[in-house]
Amino acid sequence: DAMVIQNPRYQVTQFGKPVTLSCSQTLNHNVMYWYQQKSSQAPKLLFHYYDKDFNNEADTPDNFQSRRPNTSFCFLDIRSPGLGDAAMYLCATSRDMGFNQPQHFGDGTRLSIL
Amino acid sequence: AQKITQTQPGMFVQEKEAVTLDCTYDTSDPSYGLFWYKQPSSGEMIFLIYQGSYDQQNATEGRYSLNFQKARKSANLVISASQLGDSAMYFCAMREGNTNAGKSTFGDGTTLTVKP
Repeated sequence: DAMVIQNPRYQVTQFGKPVTLSCSQTLNHNVMYWYQQKSSQAPKLLFHYYDKDFNNEADTPDNFQSRRPNTSFCFLDIRSPGLGDAAMYLCATSRDMGFNQPQHFGDGTRLSIL
Repeated sequence: AQKITQTQPGMFVQEKEAVTLDCTYDTSDPSYGLFWYKQPSSGEMIFLIYQGSYDQQNATEGRYSLNFQKARKSANLVISASQLGDSAMYFCAMREGNTNAGKSTFGDGTTLTVKP
């Protein structure tokens, strides 16, 4: 089945130690998104790629970076994780930017900081 | 002003009964889409149903239907014949055609608990 796959499902890292979360998709969608979701809250958009064009949200900390080496893969890099970065990270795709396009989400990566 | 408002932080429903989850939205963009997503405790976000601003009829998908009242700017989700597996958090979201194109605005969610 075509889908959005996130690895790993659970990630534990140390305070200040860089960590990379990965996302792949077989939907061939143009747009890929990264969200941060803290417990019982709405997902918060960090950034998105439309094809190779990167769009950062104004309030996304500089600590968060992203790479999209090709259509299928997108990575979230957290350069120096702090305790406040512990959260669920959701990757999503959509076919394009149209208002009628649903987003397709991966299962998420739950990040813990020691 | 919040663009998506879900006023029910938590809801309970008896198994096999119907339940309505409320969502109101605010936009001046004539082109927009409204979406409902389900998020079980395991974390994955599942797309349930879509309603477009130009759609004349209310959307339906199996046991899910969307009660779209454009003049009142509401897009309530109706789940018929609730099942235990429906227990989850439900998010209403909006995408606008011209404003913040391509980005979804999410409500704060409603936690639904289905009682046996």
